[in-house]
Amino acid sequence: AQKITQTQPGMFVQEKEAVTLDCTYDTSDPSYGLFWYKQPSSGEMIFLIYQGSYDQQNATEGRYSLNFQKARKSANLVISASQLGDSAMYFCAMRDLASSNTGKLIFGQGTTLQVKP
Amino acid sequence: DSGVTQTPKHLITATGQRVTLRCSPRSGDLSVYWYQQSLDQGLQFLIQYYNGEERAKGNILERFSAQQFPDLHSELNLSSLELGDSALYFCASSAPLGERTDTQYFGPGTRLTVL
Repeated sequence: AQKITQTQPGMFVQEKEAVTLDCTYDTSDPSYGLFWYKQPSSGEMIFLIYQGSYDQQNATEGRYSLNFQKARKSANLVISASQLGDSAMYFCAMRDLASSNTGKLIFGQGTTLQVKP
Repeated sequence: DSGVTQTPKHLITATGQRVTLRCSPRSGDLSVYWYQQSLDQGLQFLIQYYNGEERAKGNILERFSAQQFPDLHSELNLSSLELGDSALYFCASSAPLGERTDTQYFGPGTRLTVL
């Protein structure tokens, strides 16, 4: 069965510094997608970045980048130059791309990030 | 703003009651997903509809049902409510199946409180 593990319940980072949020996954499917979402205290889920299992390069979106290590089954999110507005819960999620019938996402437990001024 | 709308934003009701949560997907999206977020279970997939038809079911209770209408909006019906049903319910939508990224965009959620 597919599983996402986020081992850091909470993290602190100083403003303007970079931070890495860990995510490991487990799947036997060769084709899958990995997503990161941000959930601020207001509650909405905001899509940040996507990495496909066959993508040759690590995904980047502005200050967000994904450190994808397929052999280790990890997909860590790197946030550069942290801002106070980055304080939120971050979720790693996976979708099985081999099954065209469903796009359901499996989520990790989340990591709470607090940015210190 | 993701383009996905959900109403109501908050809902407070009593045990045993029935409620309906509504979702309008992003323009052009055919797939609608429902998720439940609770403190003990985390984020759980409930059900997916694609162009009006049920496509996949997750951990959805028999007391819960959903449908997607011809205009592609979706409703999640929760009946015989229990205290444990209190949660944040998200709707998400994505582009037609077959697009590899198939990113799901989430609505703001409906916070349900059962007293």
